[in-house]
Amino acid sequence: AQRVTQPEKLLSVFKGAPVELKCNYSYSGSPELFWYVQYSRQRLQLLLRHISRESIKGFTADLNKGETSFHLKKPFAQEEDSAMYYCALSGNTGRRALTFGSGTRLQVQP
Amino acid sequence: NAGVTQTPKFRILKIGQSMTLQCTQDMNHNYMYWYRQDPGMGLKLIYYSVGAGITDKGEVPNGYNVSRSTTEDFPLRLELAAPSQTSVYFCASSLRGQGTGELFFGEGSRLTVL
Repeated sequence: AQRVTQPEKLLSVFKGAPVELKCNYSYSGSPELFWYVQYSRQRLQLLLRHISRESIKGFTADLNKGETSFHLKKPFAQEEDSAMYYCALSGNTGRRALTFGSGTRLQVQP
Repeated sequence: NAGVTQTPKFRILKIGQSMTLQCTQDMNHNYMYWYRQDPGMGLKLIYYSVGAGITDKGEVPNGYNVSRSTTEDFPLRLELAAPSQTSVYFCASSLRGQGTGELFFGEGSRLTVL
């Protein structure tokens, strides 16, 4: 079975501080990992995926297979980063079902 | 280009009532999905479809039915509403299958069963 754990329901930081949103996963094969974000009054949308190795809005995430983690990081938080962040995992065989974590609310205070 | 449109946004049902959540997309995506999100939990897949005429169960299908008669529409039917179905429902679509392509979500439908 595949599982995604986001241990923090709420992360509150000050503007300019570094941010790390934690995501740990359980999957026996080679997963594909994603971060989705939902800003206030907006739809859930894709932020980034690990296979793209991209930086979006200053966020990066590295897949650490040894620690089974896919933490989302940003060196300097901005107020507009305040949102709900969901980590998601897809298996690489069969139906490739997408499993979501329970989400972390990031609050960036001025 | 509206993307994924869900209706209604809010609904209160009595136990035993039936209703249909509508979902339509104008991106010509083959893949469509229904998720539910309970408070403090992640999204759970109810049903999905890989194309018109093809549907399959997800993780939590009990109490729901779907149909996919056109590429654009993927309605979710609740036949006998129960309090356990109180949740926020999200419809989504993608060009490629989930886990390979980006999912585009609707705004969500908040359903309360009393």
